[in-house]
Amino acid sequence: DGGITQSPKYLFRKEGQNVTLSCEQNLNHDAMYWYRQDPGQGLRLIYYSQIVNDFQKGDIAEGYSVSREKKESFPLTVTSAQKNPTAFYLCASSPWGLNQPQHFGDGTRLSIL
Amino acid sequence: DQQVKQNSPSLSVQEGRISILNCDYTNSMFDYFLWYKKYPAEGPTFLISISSIKDKNEDGRFTVFLNKSAKHLSLHIVPSQPGDSAVYFCAASHGSSNTGKLIFGQGTTLQVKP
Repeated sequence: DGGITQSPKYLFRKEGQNVTLSCEQNLNHDAMYWYRQDPGQGLRLIYYSQIVNDFQKGDIAEGYSVSREKKESFPLTVTSAQKNPTAFYLCASSPWGLNQPQHFGDGTRLSIL
Repeated sequence: DQQVKQNSPSLSVQEGRISILNCDYTNSMFDYFLWYKKYPAEGPTFLISISSIKDKNEDGRFTVFLNKSAKHLSLHIVPSQPGDSAVYFCAASHGSSNTGKLIFGQGTTLQVKP
């Protein structure tokens, strides 16, 4: 079954700790995205990548880092510099080209201990 | 600066009736619009989209209408079913920016009562 897999589903972080959220897709999509959702708000773009070994900052990139070493993988690291990391994190992918809908994984909920 | 707005946080309709969800945008460069449905603790699921060259797109019970002059789009669900109860997000993109970035509204929670 083709799809996007995010792991873990729930993650807890201690103060001052970096944590990495996994996102893997087997849809052969070129583009991948990371979003953050807070209660009562829409999704906000953190980082995106159009091709391997290249990525761009989104609207709220501060305190986050990413890598794109393989087409199918786009891990997100939430660093200790992110002062308010508690949120629901969503990874998406899409084919490259105009007017392509993004398809989402089921998310990772990150909480601070 | 909220470029995509869903001004109704919630909507309640009776099963079998029409659900109308609304979305407004401010950026006239947006040329592709999408609707997503989201259940709690799950990722959004793509429902339907429309490009700015059209004013209507239909897929089964779902129809999206685009009014470019008013910078307004709406999603009609007919007939509504209890399984349609979820949060609905509209999103927009600027195709010529060539980034694929989507700007999302805040979401509208739809409750369909049996």
